[in-house]
Formats: sequence, structure tokens, C-alpha cells
Amino acid sequence: GENVEQHPSTLSVQEGDSAVIKCTYSDSASNYFPWYKQELGKRPQLIIDIRSNVGEKKDQRIAVTLNKTAKHFSLHITETQPEDSAVYFCAASAMDTGRRALTFGSGTRLQVQP
Amino acid sequence: DAGVIQSPRHEVTEMGQEVTLRCKPISGHNSLFWYRQTMMRGLELLIYFNNNVPIDDSGMPEDRFSAKMPNASFSTLKIQPSEPRDSAVYFCASSLKTGGKDTQYFGPGTRLTVL
Repeated sequence: GENVEQHPSTLSVQEGDSAVIKCTYSDSASNYFPWYKQELGKRPQLIIDIRSNVGEKKDQRIAVTLNKTAKHFSLHITETQPEDSAVYFCAASAMDTGRRALTFGSGTRLQVQP
Repeated sequence: DAGVIQSPRHEVTEMGQEVTLRCKPISGHNSLFWYRQTMMRGLELLIYFNNNVPIDDSGMPEDRFSAKMPNASFSTLKIQPSEPRDSAVYFCASSLKTGGKDTQYFGPGTRLTVL
């Protein structure tokens, strides 16, 4: 089955700096890669996603890049703010082959220091 | 739109008791997923349904766990008998695969504590 690895497990940055979180996946059939943000005691919430036919996607301060050949994808947050502090999860699924359940990475705890 | 609804939000029970968790997906969504979150194992799939039919139950730990989806607007996850190692947050998520998108929206979760 699919295996998703995520690094780093914790990340501390100063407000205004950039943060980068990296994930690798194992199943070449995976073609959908969402990123979720989870605040303490809350539900995971989608912040951005990318499909395998796209190499990069941006939404304001957040961007995701995908390298299909290397089977890795990354989340980039620019101009970080204290409210960006949370746990971020990457995930993968093969939505076009019927394997629609998400396989999650282990999470990255991001702390933005004011 | 109400979003995914789960009940109860918190459940404390004793080992050996039966526990039933409930989920109402977003209206119009045809897929429903049950995930479990623990510190040790992270977020992992238990089972998912498409059009009320179980598609992948490979994550269901053992026979103590069962899930049903009798109609498009309701699903249950039952644990009988419960054990302390079942303590976790159980999330339900729903989605509608359309136009190349398959976003899963999560409910607020049920925090289960088995004493």
C-alpha cells in the first residue's frame, strides 16, 4: 500500500520567515495530494491540494510543488504569521483508481514565533 | 451548509462496554470515510463507503470494530467490546468526487476514552 513520509516533525520559524515542509510517497498510482492544517483540538482542514498533472499551485501565501519523478511534494508558507502555528499533514490518494482514502504523513508541528 | 456532523463529541466508557459513534455527511456527498487519530499512529483510515457500500475496510483493526451506512445521510462506527487501546479521536469525513476534485471535509471528531 501507499506510504507517506513527512519531514520535519517540528519546525520553528520567526514571524515573517518562510516555512517548508516536505513529503515523499511510495505508490506511483497516487495522483492527488492535499495538505491539511490542524489546530489543537480541532478537525483537519484542507488548505491546498494538487493533482499529479500540475507541478505547482499557489494560493496567496501558500504554495505546493510536486515532483512526480522523485515522488515528493512540498508545502511552502511565506511571510509566516503566528496564526499559522498548527500541525500540518500531507496526504496522498489515487482518486482515479478507486483508492480514494487518504494516506497521511506523520505531521509537522509548525511554531511561528512573534 | 452544516458540514459533517458527528456525535457524541466526547465519550468516556469502561473497558468491555459497547460504543457507537455517529456521523452525518454533508448533504449531496456520496463518499464517507472513518479515520482514527492517535499520537502513536497518527491519522489512519478505518473504512470508507461509496454510495453507502463499503469499499475499503482494510484499516478496521479487528472484529471488535464494525461500520454501517444504512443510507446516504447516516453512518455508524461501533466498537464492541471496547478496550483502552481504542482510546483515540475518531473523525468522519465526506466527499463528492467531481470535476477532478475529491476534497474530503472532516467532522469535528469524537474523542473516545476507554478506561
